[in-house]
Amino acid sequence: DGGITQSPKYLFRKEGQNVTLSCEQNLNHDAMYWYRQDPGQGLRLIYYSQIVNDFQKGDIAEGYSVSREKKESFPLTVTSAQKNPTAFYLCASSTSDGSNQPQHFGDGTRLSIV
Amino acid sequence: AQTVTQSQPEMSVQEAETVTLSCTYDTSESDYYLFWYKQPPSRQMILVIRQEAYKQQNATENRFSVNFQKAAKSFSLKISDSQLGDAAMYFCAYRSEDNDMRFGAGTRLTVKP
Repeated sequence: DGGITQSPKYLFRKEGQNVTLSCEQNLNHDAMYWYRQDPGQGLRLIYYSQIVNDFQKGDIAEGYSVSREKKESFPLTVTSAQKNPTAFYLCASSTSDGSNQPQHFGDGTRLSIV
Repeated sequence: AQTVTQSQPEMSVQEAETVTLSCTYDTSESDYYLFWYKQPPSRQMILVIRQEAYKQQNATENRFSVNFQKAAKSFSLKISDSQLGDAAMYFCAYRSEDNDMRFGAGTRLTVKP
């Protein structure tokens, strides 16, 4: 079955450490997205990519970095510059053909500071 | 960037009754897409309904329907015959032509038996 896989489900980071969240999709979607969700709040866009080797900053890109070397993969690195990284992270993908097809979401990664 | 506003942090409805969740957005584009997603405690994002801005007819999916007012930039969700399983966070979302997608802050819906 096609879908989006995020790993790991839970991730713990030490102070000053970079960590990378994985997102893989086999839906043949061109566009991929990363969102951050804090408790009781909505989804805030970190980065999105419409095509391989291209990506745009969202509303809260500071302290994060991404790459899009393959169509199927859009990893998110949370750097030590992100001072409050504890949150739930959701990856999504969609077609980029201007249709009304919705985003498909992964099951999320919960990141915590230890 | 476009903004999406959900002015109701929490809503409550009696089982079998009808409830309407509000959503407004700000944009200068003429072509775009609007969505409502449901997020239960499992944190999965589940598509409820979608609307193309160029369509005047309001979308309907079983007990869920929208009231799309393009001039007013309003996109409310009506849930009829509410069921206990409808209890969740509901997010309104806007997608632009360049695939930039933004979400509102969400409305937490409680269904009372």
